[in-house]
Amino acid sequence: AQKITQTQPGMFVQEKEAVTLDCTYDTSDPSYGLFWYKQPSSGEMIFLIYQGSYDQQNATEGRYSLNFQKARKSANLVISASQLGDSAMYFCAMRPPSRTSYDKVIFGPGTSLSVIP
Amino acid sequence: NAGVTQTPKFQVLKTGQSMTLQCAQDMNHEYMSWYRQDPGMGLRLIHYSVGAGITDQGEVPNGYNVSRSTTEDFPLRLLSAAPSQTSVYFCASSYLGLSSGNTIYFGEGSWLTVV
Repeated sequence: AQKITQTQPGMFVQEKEAVTLDCTYDTSDPSYGLFWYKQPSSGEMIFLIYQGSYDQQNATEGRYSLNFQKARKSANLVISASQLGDSAMYFCAMRPPSRTSYDKVIFGPGTSLSVIP
Repeated sequence: NAGVTQTPKFQVLKTGQSMTLQCAQDMNHEYMSWYRQDPGMGLRLIHYSVGAGITDQGEVPNGYNVSRSTTEDFPLRLLSAAPSQTSVYFCASSYLGLSSGNTIYFGEGSWLTVV
């Protein structure tokens, strides 16, 4: 069975510094996709970044980058130059190959990030 | 530019009542799903569908029913509401497959309280 673990319930970071949010996963599928989503206090789910398990390079999107270590089954989100608006819940998610019996997109429990001015 | 639309946004139910949360998407996505979000638990998958007529259970399916008669709609039915079903519910949809373009789109959430 698939599982996502986010071991940091809460994190603090100083404004303008970088922060790493941890995500480890468990799957027996050789191919899969990994997502990160942001949920501000207003409640909407905002897509940040995607990494395919066979992608040759780590994904980057602006200030977000994904430190993907396939052998360790980890997909940590790195936010550079933190801003006050980055304060939110962050969720790691995984989807297996499509059209299988287990085509479920599952989420981790989330990490609450607070950016300190 | 509707995306994923879910209704109602807020609902209070009495224990034992039934209700349906509606979800519709206009992006021709094969994949649709329902999650519930509780403090400290993240998003837990209730039911999902990979196409019209095809549904399957997620992590926490008990007490909920779904159907997928069209590509666009994926309603979630609470059969006999219980206080343990007080939660925020999200509908989500995407194309199938592991392409970087297959972003999962979410509705705005439905806040449900069972008293």
